[in-house]
Order: sequence, then C-alpha cells, then structure tokens
Amino acid sequence: QKEVEQDPGPLSVPEGAIVSLNCTYSNSAFQYFMWYRQYSRKGPELLMYTYSSGNKEDGRFTAQVDKSSKYISLFIRDSQPSDSATYLCAMSGGLNTGFQKLVFGTGTRLLVSP
Amino acid sequence: DVKVTQSSRYLVKRTGEKVFLECVQDMDHENMFWYRQDPGLGLRLIYFSYDVKMKEKGDIPEGYSVSREKKERFSLILESASTNQTSMYLCASTTGTGTPGANVLTFGAGSRLTVL
Repeated sequence: QKEVEQDPGPLSVPEGAIVSLNCTYSNSAFQYFMWYRQYSRKGPELLMYTYSSGNKEDGRFTAQVDKSSKYISLFIRDSQPSDSATYLCAMSGGLNTGFQKLVFGTGTRLLVSP
Repeated sequence: DVKVTQSSRYLVKRTGEKVFLECVQDMDHENMFWYRQDPGLGLRLIYFSYDVKMKEKGDIPEGYSVSREKKERFSLILESASTNQTSMYLCASTTGTGTPGANVLTFGAGSRLTVL
C-alpha cells in the first residue's frame, strides 16, 4: 500500500462547478500538508500549506485536513478553465527532528471546460 | 520570489551517453533536491543535498549521481543513460531544516529527458 493515495482522474467539470480533490494517507506522523498545482510542461507550484487538522481558505481555494481519518481535501469554488492542471498533495512529519522528506500523491488531473 | 532554474528543458540522448542536468537557485537555500516524475508513479526523490558537498540518497538513487560544489548549484549526473531513465526531472530547493519553510519545495520548470 502506498503511503499516500490519490485518484489520478481525470476529473472533468464545467466552469463554475465546485471541485473536490482528495488524498488519503497511512502515516499518522504526518503533520504538514500541502497542495501543489502543476500546469502541463511546468514544475509544481505551492498552492496551499496547512499544519495539523482544520481548514484553511485562500480565495476560491479551501484546504481541509482530517487527521483522525487520515484524509485531506482541496476544494475549488467557482472553478475556471485556468484551474485545469494536475493537483498534487504532499505531506511530511514534524520539523524539529531534522529534515523530513515530503511524500507526494501521484496527482489528480483536473479539466474545467468553458 | 525564489527562482529555481533548470538549464535544459528538453534533451534527447543515446543509450550509454553521460548526461548532466544542471540546476541553479538564487535565494540562498540550503536544501536542494532532484526528483523524477513519471505517469502513475508521481514524484520520486533521487538525491538531495542539505549543504555544499553533502548529499543523501533518496528513494531511487541507482544509476544517478549528484554534485554540489556551490550552494546555489546542484547537478544530476547519469553516468550511462538507459532507456528506463526517460523521464521528467525536477529540481527543487527549500530553506534550512527546522524553519517553517523547510518542507515547502520550490520547483524548477523541469527537464524532459528522452533516452533512445
């Protein structure tokens, strides 16, 4: 079993839809959770960063972490064609014991049609 | 903004050739990384470096080596390229360990290598 599981998609939605992207994980030591967005032929860029459980909102994007269920989500409201990209979840343990390697999901490809 | 620059965006090499992939970051980051990205497998860590002349193996170091002679530059070397090394290679960097940004990677645009 992979440490981080993510549905590869593609997920196709019409413009304006609410999108839900998800990852599950098995390592209870993970405390830092990230979402990266990767456009075609580009490197990933950080979209959202959260620590421990709870929600974080940034514009149309909301990141949600449920540590009890080992489940994280990224919600995109009012989705736009420019949101079409691959979304990668990533996570790591604490920072106070030296470098903590990031573990990535395989990415979900999102397609938003006009 | 941190910039991570990968000098070669697209390369085509032949089996057995020696390949150098160069990466430069301009924000004095301590940590630098090389990943490869393949469909269905996601991002896999090849090597990372937390200081000049220091290197650590990642999850898939076989067939690769790295060099970090200067803080801003991290090179990935394929001593004898093989077809199974055809992939997208991504360089990344982060600030020093123990800081809030230590696990936030800034990526370069990637180098797509094809080995024939």
